[in-house]
Amino acid sequence: GENVEQHPSTLSVQEGDSAVIKCTYSDSASNYFPWYKQELGKRPQLIIDIRSNVGEKKDQRIAVTLNKTAKHFSLHITETQPEDSAVYFCAANLVDTDKLIFGTGTRLQVFP
Amino acid sequence: ETGVTQTPRHLVMGMTNKKSLKCEQHLGHNAMYWYKQSAKKPLELMFVYSLEERVENNSVPSRFSPECPNSSHLFLHLHTLQPEDSALYLCASSQVRGRSPLHFGNGTRLTVT
Repeated sequence: GENVEQHPSTLSVQEGDSAVIKCTYSDSASNYFPWYKQELGKRPQLIIDIRSNVGEKKDQRIAVTLNKTAKHFSLHITETQPEDSAVYFCAANLVDTDKLIFGTGTRLQVFP
Repeated sequence: ETGVTQTPRHLVMGMTNKKSLKCEQHLGHNAMYWYKQSAKKPLELMFVYSLEERVENNSVPSRFSPECPNSSHLFLHLHTLQPEDSALYLCASSQVRGRSPLHFGNGTRLTVT
């Protein structure tokens, strides 16, 4: 079936370093790719999303890149801070069913 | 205020109990969802309602029964659950089904004993 693969499952970085999380999707018709952040004990919250008509989108320290040919997209966090520590989920939509398929999540730890 | 409110936050129930989870959204969205979140698994979509019409998900056991009385409220009725149903159940809403950001509630942590 259609799925979204996400790597790595865990990521540890030093404060100030960059973090990159990658996702691969299988439905070539997918055109909406959101990223969610879930802090411990809290609900997932959208941090950034991208649609297939652009290749990159940036919001302050967060950026997402999309490669439609290779069917993968990535989240980039620069100048990481301890409060960036959380689980990050990527997702891609299935156009024919209007469903969002989520990746398995990446636990990011930022050490001071 | 998240815009999506879920109750209760925690629920412990026996396998023979019947309980209901409640979700309310104040965002004027047209779609509402139930997701199941288990450890080390992707978020699993259980049910979707779009403009109060249910989109079936055949992989969900019949012991889970959704109800959407209007576009602002969503329920998940539970009966004769199994211990493996213990998880965080998240409600979400979006303006357009599948193509706009999801707004999640805080979830109900369910434990089946």
